[in-house]
Amino acid sequence: KAGVTQTPRYLIKTRGQQVTLSCSPISGHRSVSWYQQTPGQGLQFLFEYFSETQRNKGNFPGRFSGRQFSNSRSEMNVSTLELGDSALYLCASSSDQVGIDYGYTFGSGTRLTVV
Amino acid sequence: GESVGLHLPTLSVQEGDNSIINCAYSNSASDYFIWYKQESGKGPQFIIDIRSNMDKRQGQRVTVLLNKTVKHLSLQIAATQPGDSAVYFCAERRTGRRALTFGSGTRLQVQP
Repeated sequence: KAGVTQTPRYLIKTRGQQVTLSCSPISGHRSVSWYQQTPGQGLQFLFEYFSETQRNKGNFPGRFSGRQFSNSRSEMNVSTLELGDSALYLCASSSDQVGIDYGYTFGSGTRLTVV
Repeated sequence: GESVGLHLPTLSVQEGDNSIINCAYSNSASDYFIWYKQESGKGPQFIIDIRSNMDKRQGQRVTVLLNKTVKHLSLQIAATQPGDSAVYFCAERRTGRRALTFGSGTRLQVQP
């Protein structure tokens, strides 16, 4: 079955702009999590959505937001971009069913560069 | 604060040798641990996981050991191959939470 699909793969934005990233989870997976990866901070949890509801949120400012649609696809939005938002944004999906391995499957990420 | 850390940032091994990558975690409430492999330009790839009620789990050429007494996790790769060269991350999930906390990563370099 298809893996986790993230679009676009690369983005270049100007400081102050906003950006929307998309993630399509593995078919049947209802949980989608977002992570930011930077050389300095490593992989950090942004938020997690399940059945269109945000269940968990990391320690990021309100400029970072997300949503999930009824088909489990998720988007994250970053408003008023700052240079420090340049990072690889990763999406992970999981089945979140009791008794099923909880292995989180990651997409290839969206490389965001803010100039 | 609570964190998941790694002992060595870079590990260099000869092809065919066994590799051991270590990870320390600080939260005794963690109930699930995962090892990921990340190659350049790609997202983390799931290798193997282990629940806190287990001490050892084996996969194909990989073994994960969990020592809850000293809060230590290790990944053993048997007969390391050039294709194993990558950055390896351990991650923990705390009971009742969905977020994974990742270690800083260890770069594995396999010398031919």
